Amino acid sequence: KQEVTQIPAALSVPEGENLVLNCSFTDSAIYNLQWFRQDPGKGLTSLLLIQSSQREQTSGRLNASLDKSSGRSTLYIAASQPGDSATYLCAVIMTGNQFYFGTGTSLTVIP
Amino acid sequence: DAGVIQSPRHEVTEMGQEVTLRCKPISGHNSLFWYRQTMMRGLELLIYFNNNVPIDDSGMPEDRFSAKMPNASFSTLKIQPSEPRDSAVYFCASTSGGSGANVLTFGAGSRLTVL
Repeated sequence: KQEVTQIPAALSVPEGENLVLNCSFTDSAIYNLQWFRQDPGKGLTSLLLIQSSQREQTSGRLNASLDKSSGRSTLYIAASQPGDSATYLCAVIMTGNQFYFGTGTSLTVIP
Repeated sequence: DAGVIQSPRHEVTEMGQEVTLRCKPISGHNSLFWYRQTMMRGLELLIYFNNNVPIDDSGMPEDRFSAKMPNASFSTLKIQPSEPRDSAVYFCASTSGGSGANVLTFGAGSRLTVL
């Protein structure tokens, strides 16, 4: 069974710092991988979807990379802002629409 | 598009009562998921529908939980009778296609408190 791990569980950085969030998975036969953001008391908002044939995707200050062979994905956030404070979750997608979620990294950006 | 719409946003009920949560997926999306989120267990898949047909209900906790999707624009999750351990945020999510090739979009969630 696919297991998805996100370390660290919590991260606190000063405003303006570049940072990397990690996502690792045990079964490399994934279909896609998706990164989400969740604000307190809200639903999950999709940030980036990486197809298994891609190595990275970019949206604004966000860049997600995927290395299937090593079972890892990273989400890079450039020039962090207090508004980036949220919980970030990755979801590994297997064939047949099976989504496996990590437990998330809670990010706090300090002004 | 209004996104995935869930109701009610908040529900407080007493143990033993029936609870019905509702979801309207994004128009054109043919895959619908119900998730439950708690601090202890994170995000758990309850049931997945494709083209209104339940494909995977292995995450449904027990017979007290049931889900239906009578048409492409509406789904319900029912808990009867409810118990305090059912307290959680319940999310509905939808996507197009059945292969995981497209973005999964979540609703705002229904926060359930069972006293």
